[in-house]
Amino acid sequence: DGGITQSPKYLFRKEGQNVTLSCEQNLNHDAMYWYRQDPGQGLRLIYYSQIVNDFQKGDIAEGYSVSREKKESFPLTVTSAQKNPTAFYLCASSNAGGESPLHFGNGTRLTVT
Amino acid sequence: QKEVEQDPGPLSVPEGAIVSLNCTYSNSAFQYFMWYRQYSRKGPELLMYTYSSGNKEDGRFTAQVDKSSKYISLFIRDSQPSDSATYLCAMSGGNTDKLIFGTGTRLQVFP
Repeated sequence: DGGITQSPKYLFRKEGQNVTLSCEQNLNHDAMYWYRQDPGQGLRLIYYSQIVNDFQKGDIAEGYSVSREKKESFPLTVTSAQKNPTAFYLCASSNAGGESPLHFGNGTRLTVT
Repeated sequence: QKEVEQDPGPLSVPEGAIVSLNCTYSNSAFQYFMWYRQYSRKGPELLMYTYSSGNKEDGRFTAQVDKSSKYISLFIRDSQPSDSATYLCAMSGGNTDKLIFGTGTRLQVFP
């Protein structure tokens, strides 16, 4: 089955630690995205990548970093510089182009205490 | 003003009701319109995709786009408890190569 796999489903970290969220897709999509979802705020774009070895900041990139070394993989690191890291993180992929719909993974719930 | 506005709800209806979910937008260049359904603690899944104006029907779901009013709607006929979820509108087009999402409307269908 083609799809997007995010792991783990739940993640707990202590404040001050960096943490990396995994995202893998086997849809052969060129573009991949990371969103953050908070209650009442909808989806906010963190980073996106339209091609391997290239990525762009989204609307709320501060405190996050990404890499895109393989077409299938787009890991997100939440650094200790992110002031409010506790959130639901969603990875998505699509064919290139703004007209293409996004396909989402089932998210990672990160809790930082 | 946000580019896409969506009433957060919650919207509570009895089983069998017709549900109307709506979004308004400000960018007249938007051409691609989508509706996503998101169950609790899951990722959004694409429900409907529409290009430009007009209607699209898929089973109990109908998507409408009125570009002149900058208004899109999703109708759910014969609503079921399994339709209880958050519904997000999304759109793109013009010089925007990214999807712009509404904040989502939470729908609850009670038996």
